[in-house]
Amino acid sequence: GENVEQHPSTLSVQEGDSAVIKCTYSDSASNYFPWYKQELGKGPQLIIDIRSNVGEKKDQRIAVTLNKTAKHFSLHITETQPEDSAVYFCAALYNFNKFYFGSGTKLNVKP
Amino acid sequence: SQTIHQWPATLVQPVGSPLSLECTVEGTSNPNLYWYRQAAGRGLQLLFYSVGIGQISSEVPQNLSASRPQDRQFILSSKKLLLSDSGFYLCAWSGEFPGDEQFFGPGTRLTVL
Repeated sequence: GENVEQHPSTLSVQEGDSAVIKCTYSDSASNYFPWYKQELGKGPQLIIDIRSNVGEKKDQRIAVTLNKTAKHFSLHITETQPEDSAVYFCAALYNFNKFYFGSGTKLNVKP
Repeated sequence: SQTIHQWPATLVQPVGSPLSLECTVEGTSNPNLYWYRQAAGRGLQLLFYSVGIGQISSEVPQNLSASRPQDRQFILSSKKLLLSDSGFYLCAWSGEFPGDEQFFGPGTRLTVL
């Protein structure tokens, strides 16, 4: 099966700084990589995703990069704001319809 | 637009009691459906997924079971709850095609005492 590793487990940044979260995956056949934001007591919310035919995707302050050769992908948040504070999960699609998730990164943006 | 519902939102049950959590999806047809469990401060563990009515794949052997009696209804059950079953249970759906996006419900907080 797939194995997704996520780092760091916690990340604290000053408001306005950038935050980077990295994930690696094991199955070279994986071709879809979503990122989720989870606020306390709520279900995860899809914030951005990338497919294997693309190296980078941006949506306002959020970007995701994918390196298929190295089998890793990263989430980049620029100009962080206090409302970006949450737990972020990466995931990889395996075997067409199963998603495997990283262990999560707790992001704290200090005002 | 599509929406996903879960109930109840919270549940406190004694050890050894039965469990039934329900998930329904609106606004789509033939979705893939998923049950995940999230222990406190931990990641998401895939429990079951279903690609169609009556088709259930189990990822983790345990005392839980899942059923899909209708296209957009997914039920998580147990005959006898264990303390270790406590957690945050999340239902999710994705489109029927490989690589379709996956969306989560609001979750059910289960506490087994």
